[in-house]
Amino acid sequence: AQSVTQLDSHVSVSEGTPVLLRCNYSSSYSPSLFWYVQHPNKGLQLLLKYTSAATLVKGINGFEAEFKKSETSFHLTKPSAHMSDAAEYFCVVSDPPPYNQGGKLIFGQGTELSVKP
Amino acid sequence: DTEVTQTPKHLVMGMTNKKSLKCEQHMGHRAMYWYKQKAKKPPELMFVYSYEKLSINESVPSRFSPECPNSSLLNLHLHALQPEDSALYLCASSQDGTGGIVRAFFGQGTRLTVV
Repeated sequence: AQSVTQLDSHVSVSEGTPVLLRCNYSSSYSPSLFWYVQHPNKGLQLLLKYTSAATLVKGINGFEAEFKKSETSFHLTKPSAHMSDAAEYFCVVSDPPPYNQGGKLIFGQGTELSVKP
Repeated sequence: DTEVTQTPKHLVMGMTNKKSLKCEQHMGHRAMYWYKQKAKKPPELMFVYSYEKLSINESVPSRFSPECPNSSLLNLHLHALQPEDSALYLCASSQDGTGGIVRAFFGQGTRLTVV
């Protein structure tokens, strides 16, 4: 069965310092993995996705993530945090068809990122 | 056009009211989704439509009734809701209606308050 674990419910960094948001997944297949960001009272915006191509995935706004199959991890990083990065981040997994139950996305519990000036 | 548009943005309704949420996309996506999100929680899947047919119902109470009139529109009809149904309701769509997820596009949500 699929599952996603975001290892930190809250991360606080200073502006200009690196960001690391950790995600581990469980899947019996070769899943697609995503990171979404949600600003307060907004919808979800896709930051980046992994779909079995390059293991280092670059996304928008300077974020990137590395898929490590041996560690079943898909951690999100950014070299230098900006105040506008403060938001909720969700790691999401989806198994390939026909194993993904018609298109189900499995969400982690979310990590709230705070950025201090 | 890479948007999923939801209306209304905010809705306050009484427990005896009937209201509807609307979602629209013009990306040619064949899968559309309703999610419910409570504060500080991840979205919870409610329904999936694939090629205008209901493919997943996550044991949602019958006071929520989805409808997919065509491939671009998704409605969620609400009736006799409870205060605990207050939440952000998110609509999403994805390209492959047969279940292969390339990416899901989310709308901005409808903030529903039941009084």
